Amino acid sequence: GDSVTQTEGLVTVTEGLPVKLNCTYQTTYLTIAFFWYVQYLNEAPQVLLKSSTDNKRTEHQGFHATLHKSSSSFHLQKSSAQLSDSALYYCALSGIGKLIFGLGTTLQVQP
Amino acid sequence: DPKIIQKPKYLVAVTGSEKILICEQYLGHNAMYWYRQSAKKPLEFMFSYSYQKLMDNQTASSRFQPQSSKKNHLDLQITALKPDDSATYFCASSQEGISNERLFFGHGTKLSVL
Repeated sequence: GDSVTQTEGLVTVTEGLPVKLNCTYQTTYLTIAFFWYVQYLNEAPQVLLKSSTDNKRTEHQGFHATLHKSSSSFHLQKSSAQLSDSALYYCALSGIGKLIFGLGTTLQVQP
Repeated sequence: DPKIIQKPKYLVAVTGSEKILICEQYLGHNAMYWYRQSAKKPLEFMFSYSYQKLMDNQTASSRFQPQSSKKNHLDLQITALKPDDSATYFCASSQEGISNERLFFGHGTKLSVL
C-alpha cells in the first residue's frame, strides 16, 4: 500500500545549526504531490512546503525540500534552526483525493 | 480568526455513549475531510466529502458516521464509544477535493473515552 516513513520521532538540534528531517515514501499513484506540514503546540497542522516536480528545490520560511523520485525521498532541511522552529513536522503524499501522512517528527531546537 | 471551527475542543465520554463532533469551514471550500490522530499513529484519513457527497471512506466501523447538513459543515457522529476511540479528530477542507490540493486543518477535538 501507499505509505510515508519518517524515521525519527524526535530530532534535537542546537539553535543556529542545520537540521534535516527525513521522509521516504512508497506509492502506486501516478500523479503525486508531496507536502510538509508543521504543527505548533496547540495549533492546527498547516502547510509548510509543497512539491510535485522531480529534482526541483522548494523553499519556504527558510526551509527547503527537494523531491527525489529516484530515491523516493522528500527530506526537509534548514541551514540554521531557530527556537521558533520547534514543532511537530509531518511529511505527506497526496493520493486520490486525500493526504497520507507519516508518523511525524518532533523538532526540538535548544539554545 | 480560525477559518475551520471544530467544537468542542475537548470531549470526555463514557464507554457506550454517543457523541457528535462539529466542524464548520469558512474558506469557501467544496471538499471536507475527517482525520484521526492517535498516540504513536500518523494522521489517519477517515472520510472525504465533496459537494456534500461522500467520496472516500477508510473507516472500517459503521459507528463513525459523517453528517453534512450544509456545504460548509461536516460533523462526525460516533456511536457506542470505546476507549480505543480516544484520539484527536481533525477536520480539514480543500478547494475541490482533487489530487495535489493542500488541506487546511482545524485545531482538532480531543476525545477521551473512559
